[in-house]
Amino acid sequence: QVQLQQWGAGLLKSSEALSLTCAVQGGPFSGYYWSWIRQPPGKGLEWIGEINNRGSTNYNPSLKSRVAMTADSSKNQFSLRLSSVTAADSAVYYCAADRSGSRFGLWGRGTLVTV
Amino acid sequence: QSALSQPVSVSGSPGQSITISCTGSTSDFGSYNLVSWYQQHPGKAPQLMIYEGSNRPSGVSNRFSGSTSGNTASLTISGLQADDGGDYYCCSYAGRNIFVFGTGTTVTVL
Repeated sequence: QVQLQQWGAGLLKSSEALSLTCAVQGGPFSGYYWSWIRQPPGKGLEWIGEINNRGSTNYNPSLKSRVAMTADSSKNQFSLRLSSVTAADSAVYYCAADRSGSRFGLWGRGTLVTV
Repeated sequence: QSALSQPVSVSGSPGQSITISCTGSTSDFGSYNLVSWYQQHPGKAPQLMIYEGSNRPSGVSNRFSGSTSGNTASLTISGLQADDGGDYYCCSYAGRNIFVFGTGTTVTVL
């Protein structure tokens, strides 16, 4: 059964870059769509973007200028980088995945990032 | 891209049925029928409950059902149980390779 294990720095200063990684355990890396979704404290979910195993990316237009997603199939990992963070970027960040590009069937446990 | 609109809260007694609506613009839903629903308990990651409008993933109770009509998607929970309480979010493919989530609804089991 595929599981997602995520990690990254939890405390940042304004203008720094957020960097998170998600590892795929117990299953193949190929054939999935890999996504990042965030949730500010007490608020709703926001889709950040996705990357597939061909390396193609799609980003939320509101974050596109600051977001970069990469995938490393040799390590079964995918990563998120969000540059120039501010307090408004404080949130729990989730990695998510699915074989279909239209849903998010697998989720990591979330990483709280505070700016 | 604005968030899809959901009621802030919905409540019901055990055994009753409740319905949560999710409303967007034509460009949000289009003809894609790619609406999914997620349940989230406090401090936990969301869980997929419905995908492509009305399909249930393996392991999700058949008490959960989804439908879509025009610019509104709906999630119905029948035979409400205490564990159904929590936050529910809709999500739709909005074209141009982007997704948008709903504002979220808190379900309270009375």
